[in-house]
Amino acid sequence: QQQVKQSPQSLIVQKGGISIINCAYENTAFDYFPWYQQFPGKGPALLIAIRPDVSEKKEGRFTISFNKSAKQFSLHIMDSQPGDSATYFCAASRMDSSYKLIFGSGTRLLVRP
Amino acid sequence: EAGVTQSPTHLIKTRGQQATLRCSPISGHTSVYWYQQALGLGLQFLLWYDEGEERNRGNFPPRFSGRQFPNYSSELNVNALELEDSALYLCASSFPRTGELFFGEGSRLTVL
Repeated sequence: QQQVKQSPQSLIVQKGGISIINCAYENTAFDYFPWYQQFPGKGPALLIAIRPDVSEKKEGRFTISFNKSAKQFSLHIMDSQPGDSATYFCAASRMDSSYKLIFGSGTRLLVRP
Repeated sequence: EAGVTQSPTHLIKTRGQQATLRCSPISGHTSVYWYQQALGLGLQFLLWYDEGEERNRGNFPPRFSGRQFPNYSSELNVNALELEDSALYLCASSFPRTGELFFGEGSRLTVL
């Protein structure tokens, strides 16, 4: 019940294309869903996050879509750029208790020039 | 403003030894989290400290332990090192009960 399942494991997109990464969770008590971006040799950095009271959140080229009934959420990167090449992690947590983030297994994104 | 800092950057130990990793949180953050990132794998939750106390623990054996000091810095100790403990150990900090974690660059532990 604590798992967050992430797909695909790796993704190759042409510059200017749309990158889509999906995550699914089981624990309906989760109420905070962030996405982290990690470059090689660096720690993960918060990219964008959503709460279950909204179905979509957009920040620049990055959009989170959230489907509460399906227990799924996804990250869309519009107009993907080579600089977006990194590993992306989805995560989930309960804001009323443990606050610990449960991470997905990560998606390695490569944006070709 | 300084981010989360971790030391050492790299650490090489042999099986059976002990490793100590250190973390300084962002100023004002009282919560510190430790995660293990094994090669090619995701981040596995290890420990959460808040206001000097251990608040939550992941599914790791007792030889993984730590503490948080009065200045909110933290230490992770791994006893009786095993080969599979080789990983990047990430520390994160946050304001109390916000869930928004800020990560350091990690300490890479290699067990030979």
